[in-house]
Amino acid sequence: EVQLVESGGGLVQPGGSLRLSCVASGFTFSSYWMTWVRQAPGKGLEWVANINQDGSEKYSVDSVRGRFTISRDNAKNSLYLQMNSLRADDTAVYYCARDIRWFVYWGQGTLVTVSS
Amino acid sequence: QSALTQPPSASGSPGQSVTISCTGTSSDVGAYNYVSWYQQHPGKAPKLIIYEVSKRPSGVPDRFSGSKSGNTASLTVSGLQADDEADYYCSSYAGSNKAVFGGGTKLTVL
Repeated sequence: EVQLVESGGGLVQPGGSLRLSCVASGFTFSSYWMTWVRQAPGKGLEWVANINQDGSEKYSVDSVRGRFTISRDNAKNSLYLQMNSLRADDTAVYYCARDIRWFVYWGQGTLVTVSS
Repeated sequence: QSALTQPPSASGSPGQSVTISCTGTSSDVGAYNYVSWYQQHPGKAPKLIIYEVSKRPSGVPDRFSGSKSGNTASLTVSGLQADDEADYYCSSYAGSNKAVFGGGTKLTVL
């Protein structure tokens, strides 16, 4: 059974940093692109970033470029999102998902709240 | 990277059909047959119900169907049931290994 389990969310002050993790199981992690998607409270889904199988290609939405960094450790079946210079509008549930063209598998999400 | 445009709400009575539109551009919806649709119940992760415009994952009832014409994709839910009440999101591949989502449509079963 495919499972994606996010962690690392929490309350952080504006300008602060946070690192999200997503541990994958039930499939060959190193064979798939991985994606982060976020959802602000009461709002819609927003594609945030993705990364290819070996980590050599990374793409992100304009609003996080230069502040967020996606990475992965295939030996640990783990996906990461390093978030720096956090702003109030980064407050959201962050989901990791498998693939890039459509998303069959999602984690349960981890809540990031940016507030003073 | 602008979000795809969906109506904020839609509604129908049990047994009826409802169609939700998703309008993009010639750079996303119009350019690729990689439109997908997701159903999200409150407090839950999204669930894929349509991919590649009109394909259904295993286990998704055939009451859900998808189509596309030009820059607009559509999701039709037939034989509405109470459990279909949820938020629905479209998504499209947007080239350069990027994706874009719609703003979401809240479907109410009257």
